[in-house]
Amino acid sequence: QLQLQESGPGLVKSSETLSLSCTVSGGSISSSTYYWGWIRQPPGKGLEWIGTIYYGGSTYYNPSLKSRVTISVDTSKNQFSLKLSSVTAADTAIYYCGRHYHDSTVYYSYFDYWGQGTLVTVSS
Amino acid sequence: QSVLTQPPSASGTPGQRVTISCSGSSSNIGSNAVSWYQQLPGAAPNLLIYNNNQRPSGVPDRFSGSKSGTSASLTISGLQSEDEADYYCAAWDDSLNGLYVFGTGTKVTVL
Repeated sequence: QLQLQESGPGLVKSSETLSLSCTVSGGSISSSTYYWGWIRQPPGKGLEWIGTIYYGGSTYYNPSLKSRVTISVDTSKNQFSLKLSSVTAADTAIYYCGRHYHDSTVYYSYFDYWGQGTLVTVSS
Repeated sequence: QSVLTQPPSASGTPGQRVTISCSGSSSNIGSNAVSWYQQLPGAAPNLLIYNNNQRPSGVPDRFSGSKSGTSASLTISGLQSEDEADYYCAAWDDSLNGLYVFGTGTKVTVL
């Protein structure tokens, strides 16, 4: 059974960089079929896609966050990571990692496995 | 920033049918398949429907999805108390360089 687990600091100071990792177990991050992505949810609000990466390194980012986001992959550790720079209180959220099935040739895209999520609070 | 619009709430008594709508545009629902996620209180979202109307293994068949043009819908037939949750639609959007968009979310209450 595939499992994803987010890890990283739960408290980040305003203007600094938020860094999270997602460890994948029960399957290989180097699968040719899947991408891997990050989604966040501010407390009491809806879901927002942050970005998605393929094990080969190609990425898609949410245009609203693109200038501050970097997603990378480490196949040797079966992990992928998120960096979000210049954070503010508006970046306080539960951050989820997930496996993203994305096939633009047949127009299919969905997250079929999710981590449990980790709350990141931005403090002033 | 959600570009997919859902009603904020829906409700029904046990056994009733509840339908949630999701309205988008030609660049997302009109061009790509829709997925639906269920988020129980305090839990991570869970894939409920993918490719417009497909259910992952383990999802009860009382959940069904459909799509027409730039809109989609999720139907819960035979509502149960454990279905009380938030529901989100989602789809790939071909605008700009491509992005994945979620709906605004619908809170389903079992009366």
